[in-house]
Amino acid sequence: RKEVEQDPGPFNVPEGATVAFNCTYSNSASQSFFWYRQDCRKEPKLLMSVYSSGNEDGRFTAQLNRASQYISLLIRDSKLSDSATYLCVVNTPSGSARQLTFGSGTQLTVLP
Amino acid sequence: DTGVSQNPRHKITKRGQNVTFRCDPISEHNRLYWYRQTLGQGPEFLTYFQNEAQLEKSRLLSDRFSAERPKGSFSTLEIQRTEQGDSAMYLCASSTQGSEAFFGQGTRLTVV
Repeated sequence: RKEVEQDPGPFNVPEGATVAFNCTYSNSASQSFFWYRQDCRKEPKLLMSVYSSGNEDGRFTAQLNRASQYISLLIRDSKLSDSATYLCVVNTPSGSARQLTFGSGTQLTVLP
Repeated sequence: DTGVSQNPRHKITKRGQNVTFRCDPISEHNRLYWYRQTLGQGPEFLTYFQNEAQLEKSRLLSDRFSAERPKGSFSTLEIQRTEQGDSAMYLCASSTQGSEAFFGQGTRLTVV
């Protein structure tokens, strides 16, 4: 089982739609959670951190359920510019270090 | 530019040759990560440095791979006797404790 699993996608949605991505993680000792965005042939960039109480940044809402080891990202009123791959990222303890473990990503295409 | 810098951006090499990539992290970041990413997959963790100490190394990192961070600043990743399966994007990221990771633009390696 992968440490971080995401919806395989791809998601093709019309402009203005609401879309939700899900992610599960296997290590219950994980402490930090993030959503990164990666445009085609570019490096990943932080979209938002995910807090236990849930957090919102404009059209984006992230939620964390520690009991179910589940993370979600909701995008409302999607824009063409939201088209990208969304990576679920978990800060996982490993040996003496904490490493960022990435899911395989979910590809989103917002259609005009 | 004060972001993470990687060189070269692209490298084409013949199978069996050695290659070396360089990463210059954000100057105040003491943590440095190397990841490998292939098409359609999220970044896979290779190795992690805290200052000059290599604290974690993935099982993905065969003995043909070696990474250094001699003065706790820049890092190099060397691949010896390259194989076609080594073709990928090699990403470097840096962070401070508790912060998100910032990525460089990556080095795209093609082994022919």
